[in-house]
Amino acid sequence: SAVISQKPSRDICQRGTSLTIQCQVDSQVTMMFWYRQQPGQSLTLIATANQGSEATYESGFVIDKFPISRPNLTFSTLTVSNMSPEDSSIYLCSVDGDTTVGVFGPGTRLLVL
Amino acid sequence: GQQLNQSPQSMFIQEGEDVSMNCTSSSIFNTWLWYKQDPGEGPVLLIALYKAGELTSNGRLTAQFGITRKDSFLNISASIPSDVGIYFCAGQLGNAGNMLTFGGGTRLMVKP
Repeated sequence: SAVISQKPSRDICQRGTSLTIQCQVDSQVTMMFWYRQQPGQSLTLIATANQGSEATYESGFVIDKFPISRPNLTFSTLTVSNMSPEDSSIYLCSVDGDTTVGVFGPGTRLLVL
Repeated sequence: GQQLNQSPQSMFIQEGEDVSMNCTSSSIFNTWLWYKQDPGEGPVLLIALYKAGELTSNGRLTAQFGITRKDSFLNISASIPSDVGIYFCAGQLGNAGNMLTFGGGTRLMVKP
């Protein structure tokens, strides 16, 4: 199945700044997703990253706060904008497709001070 | 939206004991997945279930897709210390390529 890498693996940021997280897959995949895992919690879907078009956001998540790019079938970015301490979470990229089901990247651990 | 109820929330067992955890949903799913997450890591897929009634094993792990398509369980036999971690169930509507809905997780602790 697909192998996913994420950059950065962790970061500490100041409130009001923005961080862009990269997700790279070692093969072309149909679907890419971004999830958030708040401390001690389960995973919640932020959005589906659509190749060549705007991402599809879940309730409670908006493009201005979490802009997403997906320029091709192997790469996507998630930006956490105008960060506050409440954005401190693990952000996870996931892929799914015909031969790959529910594979997750290692996550990006974000701490906002 | 979809809700998955996972139980128990945590378990503290003795090494060698068997473990059972389950998930129930208010709606049906077409795929059930079970993950393990170690500290500082992303979730790792343990077992995927695609058909109602399906029973699948992966080493000491056994999982079943409920007949009603609204539930699933995961059993771990003869637990060992490296089984420690958080286990998540996830349901997927439709075919491959759909989003996952996650349960709240079961934190497993194993005493040597």
